[in-house]
Amino acid sequence: NAGVTQTPKFQVLKTGQSMTLQCAQDMNHEYMSWYRQDPGMGLRLIHYSVGAGITDQGEVPNGYNVSRSTTEDFPLRLLSAAPSQTSVYFCASSYKRLPPSYEQYFGPGTRLTVT
Amino acid sequence: AQRVTQPEKLLSVFKGAPVELKCNYSYSGSPELFWYVQYSRQRLQLLLRHISRESIKGFTADLNKGETSFHLKKPFAQEEDSAMYYCALSPTGGGNKLTFGTGTQLKVEL
Repeated sequence: NAGVTQTPKFQVLKTGQSMTLQCAQDMNHEYMSWYRQDPGMGLRLIHYSVGAGITDQGEVPNGYNVSRSTTEDFPLRLLSAAPSQTSVYFCASSYKRLPPSYEQYFGPGTRLTVT
Repeated sequence: AQRVTQPEKLLSVFKGAPVELKCNYSYSGSPELFWYVQYSRQRLQLLLRHISRESIKGFTADLNKGETSFHLKKPFAQEEDSAMYYCALSPTGGGNKLTFGTGTQLKVEL
């Protein structure tokens, strides 16, 4: 199994450009999520999905869109990039169940710079 | 809203010395607490969770509901323990939504 994969690994955007960060998992996990990691702030939840066709907002959703058309894929779209979106983005997946929660598996991350 | 606090950005210890990484949380219900670790050039991965009450790589963590703490401890630090450690909380019934602390960089010196 490849686990959780993310593309691209690095990306530089100009302010106002749009792009999609790709995330895929081959573990048949129902739950997928996107986090951003900023220095001194840890990881913060952007959006998450509990299954195909179901998405919801996390702590910092503004400026980002998501969709979940299949169990395997959970792309993150930046509509109009801003310098404040410069960050490292992590995708994660896990089985969904009532507590106790399952372990979350993280992708390798995408380092995004917006100039 | 829940909050996780890791007061130390950097913790430097000598090999063989005890390690304690502090984690405090604020949450009104009964949360699940986790420690995740990120070694250099590796993915973030689960180290341990309070509900399992297990020791992983010599690390243990006890949930203290009275002090709302979940400190990570190891009696004798090893060089390979050098990494970034994140404490995380999942709310009651919240399933998989994690709130992370800001992380503590552990550096084990020879």
